[in-house]
Amino acid sequence: EAGVAQSPRYKIIEKRQSVAFWCNPISGHATLYWYQQILGQGPKLLIQFQNNGVVDDSQLPKDRFSAERLKGVDSTLKIQPAKLEDSAVYLCASSLGRGANRRYGYTFGSGTRLTVV
Amino acid sequence: KQEVTQIPAALSVPEGENLVLNCSFTDSAIYNLQWFRQDPGKGLTSLLLIQSSQREQTSGRLNASLDKSSGRSTLYIAASQPGDSATYLCAVGPDYKLSFGAGTTVTVRA
Repeated sequence: EAGVAQSPRYKIIEKRQSVAFWCNPISGHATLYWYQQILGQGPKLLIQFQNNGVVDDSQLPKDRFSAERLKGVDSTLKIQPAKLEDSAVYLCASSLGRGANRRYGYTFGSGTRLTVV
Repeated sequence: KQEVTQIPAALSVPEGENLVLNCSFTDSAIYNLQWFRQDPGKGLTSLLLIQSSQREQTSGRLNASLDKSSGRSTLYIAASQPGDSATYLCAVGPDYKLSFGAGTTVTVRA
């Protein structure tokens, strides 16, 4: 079974520029998550999709971050304009459902490391 | 709001020594607690999941305990090996709203 694919692996941009990350979840996984992991911290959930609908985006800085999941499969996360504090690893994860007790195969991708200079 | 703390932030041990990693959380009303491993430049790999009704889980050399009343979990890794060097994170659930600790970075010296 293929894992969660993310691209690019690394990205360096100047502040105020825009950037986009792509995630392809495991086939058949209905739930997709984007996490932000700042160096030295644990991952923080940014947004969660169930199929192509947003379930939770309470921690997404909506003035600069946006995400979409067209047709309930691939997803993109965009930052525009980027700030220095956005430097982090952006992790995508997917699962079959939104089970409370992880009966649904929660799998993380390798992440995209963003550096804003 | 759930706060998850992991102490120490870093740990270095000689090969063969047992590892003890600690995790504490503030809200005992959790669905489950998970331990993940993160290698440099990689995503997270799930190691063990303990449901709220359970006290411990074991997988090979790994054993995780959960004490909801005190808000604590401990991950034990027996007979550590250099390949165990990684960052270990704990997270409390439910799955769709995981709260992570900052992790403990472990170095096992050969």
